[in-house]
Amino acid sequence: EAGVAQSPRYKIIEKRQSVAFWCNPISGHATLYWYQQILGQGPKLLIQFQNNGVVDDSQLPKDRFSAERLKGVDSTLKIQPAKLEDSAVYLCASSLSFPSGYEQYFGPGTRLTVT
Amino acid sequence: AQSVAQPEDQVNVAEGNPLTVKCTYSVSGNPYLFWYVQYPNRGLQFLLKYITGDNLVKGSYGFEAEFNKSQTSFHLKKPSALVSDSALYFCAVRDGDNAGNMLTFGGGTRLMVKP
Repeated sequence: EAGVAQSPRYKIIEKRQSVAFWCNPISGHATLYWYQQILGQGPKLLIQFQNNGVVDDSQLPKDRFSAERLKGVDSTLKIQPAKLEDSAVYLCASSLSFPSGYEQYFGPGTRLTVT
Repeated sequence: AQSVAQPEDQVNVAEGNPLTVKCTYSVSGNPYLFWYVQYPNRGLQFLLKYITGDNLVKGSYGFEAEFNKSQTSFHLKKPSALVSDSALYFCAVRDGDNAGNMLTFGGGTRLMVKP
């Protein structure tokens, strides 16, 4: 079965520019997650979708980050405007559904460098 | 708030020797516990989980983990380490009594297996 797909794999932008990341989850997975992983740290959840509805976005910096999953399948995460501290790997993951015992499957990530 | 502690930044072990990567957690409800492995420039890969049942959980690549409720620990173990096990390992917890509760990761432990 195909895994979680993400693009681009790498992105370099200047501060104050905007950037968007794309994720296509495993087919049939209802739940989709975006994580931010800063170098040397564990992933931190930014937003969680169940189908096309937001379940948890409490850690998403909403003044500059936005995410959508319009048709309940693929998703985009946007940063506008970017700051230096946004340099990180952005991971997308998906799981079969609720309840919370299901494991998550991760994509390869997008490494963002903000200069 | 829930949390995960991985007290060792790095664990060094000789090939063929047993390995242990430590994890302790804090969560208000019923703990659902997970181990993930991350190879360079790749996303996280699921190893094993504890949801309920037998305290000793077996997972991929010969890894196992033991859930200890009294010590709030979920240490990852393998009887005989391989050089190819060298990677970054993450422990994670979520509150099983709260559907949709986010997965919280530890800071990661780098495992180095030397020939």
